[in-house]
Amino acid sequence: GDSVTQMEGPVTLSEEAFLTINCTYTATGYPSLFWYVQYPGEGLQLLLKATKADDKGSNKGFEATYRKETTSFHLEKGSVQVSDSAVYFCALRWGGKLIFGQGTELSVKP
Amino acid sequence: EPEVTQTPSHQVTQMGQEVILRCVPISNHLYFYWYRQILGQKVEFLVSFYNNEISEKSEIFDDQFSVERPDGSNFTLKIRSTKLEDSAMYFCASIPTGAAKQYFGPGTRLTVT
Repeated sequence: GDSVTQMEGPVTLSEEAFLTINCTYTATGYPSLFWYVQYPGEGLQLLLKATKADDKGSNKGFEATYRKETTSFHLEKGSVQVSDSAVYFCALRWGGKLIFGQGTELSVKP
Repeated sequence: EPEVTQTPSHQVTQMGQEVILRCVPISNHLYFYWYRQILGQKVEFLVSFYNNEISEKSEIFDDQFSVERPDGSNFTLKIRSTKLEDSAMYFCASIPTGAAKQYFGPGTRLTVT
């Protein structure tokens, strides 16, 4: 069945470091892809999305490109801030439901 | 921006008791979902609901679970006889027709003792 695999966490970075969180997916069709963020004690917020191959989603300095050839949707940010500390979930949507990866915890130190 | 709301924010119940988790989706949304997240694990799909009936459910969503839209605004998840392993964060989500983005509520933390 459809699935999403993310890199293991936790990831600890210093402020202003470059961030990459890897995400790959398995799907029978061409799903929409998402990154959600969960700040401590809060619910899920959509960070960015891409609905077709080669689309780039971006928001708040984060970017991810839908790569059909490598079935990937890696999240990147050029310079992280302490306020980016959160758990990041990669997800795909095919049909109605979302299928999530296991989440990657990011901790940014000043 | 309109928000999905959920009540209560935290529910503690004893094993074997029934619980009802409540959600108020965004008013013009037509598709509704429940997900759960066991502490430290991934978010898992439970059920989707459209036009007053279940459109899809996962293998987690067994006979102990049910969903209902009792009026024009609420969307509820009932667990008939809770087990310890039902302890999790439960998220409600909704979308309008044809949209990709799912709007999530803040979640209800269910603790079964």
